[in-house]
Amino acid sequence: EVQLVQSGAEVKKPGDSLKISCQGSGYIFTSYWIGWVRQMPGKGLEYMGIIYPGDSDTRYSPSFQGQVTISADRSITTAYLQWSSLRASDTAMYYCVRRHDTEVVYDYWGQGTLVTVSS
Amino acid sequence: DIQVTQSPSTLSASVGDRVTITCRASQSISSWLAWYQQKPGKAPKLLIYKASSLNSGVPSRFSGSGSGTEFTLTISSLQPDDFATYYCQQYHTYSTFGLGTKVDVK
Repeated sequence: EVQLVQSGAEVKKPGDSLKISCQGSGYIFTSYWIGWVRQMPGKGLEYMGIIYPGDSDTRYSPSFQGQVTISADRSITTAYLQWSSLRASDTAMYYCVRRHDTEVVYDYWGQGTLVTVSS
Repeated sequence: DIQVTQSPSTLSASVGDRVTITCRASQSISSWLAWYQQKPGKAPKLLIYKASSLNSGVPSRFSGSGSGTEFTLTISSLQPDDFATYYCQQYHTYSTFGLGTKVDVK
């Protein structure tokens, strides 16, 4: 069974750094792209970027380029999303997603990690 | 950027109703459109991709149609489990989601 299990909720202050994780299991981790999708409170879905763990090829949505860093560790089948300096506007639910094998759609989703940034 | 606009934003319906949700793209996206269902407090679930292909395990009462700039998601007979928010996603250029259509109880 394919599973994406994300790290737990975080409460941070503006200016803090943060790295959240997403562990994949039940499939060949290096053969599928893994991405991140943001959902701000009460709002819709925003695609942030994606990584191919097989060769670490990483692509960002223009809206998020330079704002976050996506990485992966093949040895522990885990993808990461990190910020160097959080802002209050980063408060949101973040989902990791597995890209479908032939289409640029997301067939498996993690349970979400709620990030709250408040002074 | 390609924008996708969903309508309506809210739809009130009863069990057994035929429900149709529309998604319009700001430019032609061929058939590169997907639909997702999200329930409160849960992650979205992929229903349809390439405009009309049903994802594995999705009930056949869900169907998608359209190409170019206009697309529809149809639920042929609304079931209690279908009350949720539905999002379209274009993947012709990067990925953009619509703002969602909430299907609630009439």
